[in-house]
Amino acid sequence: SAVISQKPSRDICQRGTSLTIQCQVDSQVTMMFWYRQQPGQSLTLIATANQGSEATYESGFVIDKFPISRPNLTFSTLTVSNMSPEDSSIYLCSAERQYFNYGYTFGSGTRLTVV
Amino acid sequence: SQQGEEDPQALSIQEGENATMNCSYKTSINNLQWYRQNSGRGLVHLILIRSNEREKHSGRLRVTLDTSKKSSSLLITASRAADTASYFCATARGGGADGLTFGKGTHLIIQP
Repeated sequence: SAVISQKPSRDICQRGTSLTIQCQVDSQVTMMFWYRQQPGQSLTLIATANQGSEATYESGFVIDKFPISRPNLTFSTLTVSNMSPEDSSIYLCSAERQYFNYGYTFGSGTRLTVV
Repeated sequence: SQQGEEDPQALSIQEGENATMNCSYKTSINNLQWYRQNSGRGLVHLILIRSNEREKHSGRLRVTLDTSKKSSSLLITASRAADTASYFCATARGGGADGLTFGKGTHLIIQP
């Protein structure tokens, strides 16, 4: 399965600022996704990162707040914009390769704290 | 929105015992997957079962799927301290690779 490098692993940010999270996959993958995991909760899909076109957002998530880039088949970024303490969460990217054998591979997550 | 509901939400057992976690979901699915998460870090894929399969094994893991009841179970046999983690079921909406909808998870603690 694919290996994903996600950075930063954690950050503490001031409210009103923005943070960009990067995910690098070790091979070309078709599908990449971004998830949010609020404290003590499960994962919620934010969006599908589409290569060469705008990301597809899930209900409750908007591009102005969570702009996503996917310039090629191995890299994607998620920006958390104009942050508030409610944005404090773990953000994870995932990718698929040989899906029915290996499911999805996840990055190690970015633990974001907004103060 | 959360589709799956796992139970129990927390489970504590002695090392060597078997652990069973259940998951229910609401809509039709293409496949169901189980993941493990250690200490709020990245998820590790454990096993995928397709909607036309009823049971699947992988090492000490056994997964069942009952599409008529919209439920699945994960059995971990001969548990070890290293199995301590949160376990999530996740369903794929579409036919093939698609964004996942996760259940709420079961936090499993293996007592040495």
